[in-house]
Amino acid sequence: DGGITQSPKYLFRKEGQNVTLSCEQNLNHDAMYWYRQDPGQGLRLIYYSQIVNDFQKGDIAEGYSVSREKKESFPLTVTSAQKNPTAFYLCASSIGRGRDTQYFGPGTRLTVL
Amino acid sequence: EDKVVQSPLSLVVHEGDTVTLNCSYEVTNFRSLLWYKQEKKAPTFLFMLTSSGIEKKSGRLSSILDKKELFSILNITATQTGDSAVYLCAVERNTPLVFGKGTRLSVIA
Repeated sequence: DGGITQSPKYLFRKEGQNVTLSCEQNLNHDAMYWYRQDPGQGLRLIYYSQIVNDFQKGDIAEGYSVSREKKESFPLTVTSAQKNPTAFYLCASSIGRGRDTQYFGPGTRLTVL
Repeated sequence: EDKVVQSPLSLVVHEGDTVTLNCSYEVTNFRSLLWYKQEKKAPTFLFMLTSSGIEKKSGRLSSILDKKELFSILNITATQTGDSAVYLCAVERNTPLVFGKGTRLSVIA
C-alpha cells in the first residue's frame, strides 16, 4: 500500500517548545517537500529536498529545520524561533526527475497553546 | 516575485450549474501548471498542463492553459455536492511549486 504518511494528525504544544513532525513515503520518490497552510491561504513552501542528504530553503524557512538522512523520511522541526507556528502542515513527494507531480500526505494540524 | 492569483476566492452554486475557476500567474522559468482539489486534508492531483490550447478532461472537469496570456481555467460541468472543495492552482518553476490561495467552491443541493 504505497503512499505518504504524516504523524501525528493533531499536535498540541506549549509555546517555546520545539516539535518534530514526521513524514514518510514508500513511493521511492527522490524529492520531498514541506508546506504550511493557514486559513484562507494557499500552500507556502517551507523546505524541500531533491535528494538524500541535501535540502533547500523554501519561501518561509525561518524558524523551521529539516533533515533528509533517508530517502523515505523528511522530518520537519518547528522551533521556538517560529513566531506563529499554529497551522496545518502538509508534506509532499514527487519522482523528482523532469516534470513531475507532487503527491500529498494527509497533513498535521499543529496548535501551539 | 513569482505569484499565482486565483479568482474568485469563493463561489456558491446550485447542483447542476457549470462553474469556471480562474488562475493567472507571473512566474519566471515556467514549466507547468497544476490543479489540485482539497476537500478536508491532502490536496489531490487533478491536471498538469504544459502546452497552450490543449484541453485536458477528466469526467465533468476540464482545464486549459494559455501561455501567452498567462492563465488557466478549470471548468466543472453539471456540478454535484461532492465537488465542494478548495481548488488550488500551482505553477512549477525551476524551483518547486508556487500555489495560489485557492477557490472555495460550495455546491448546494
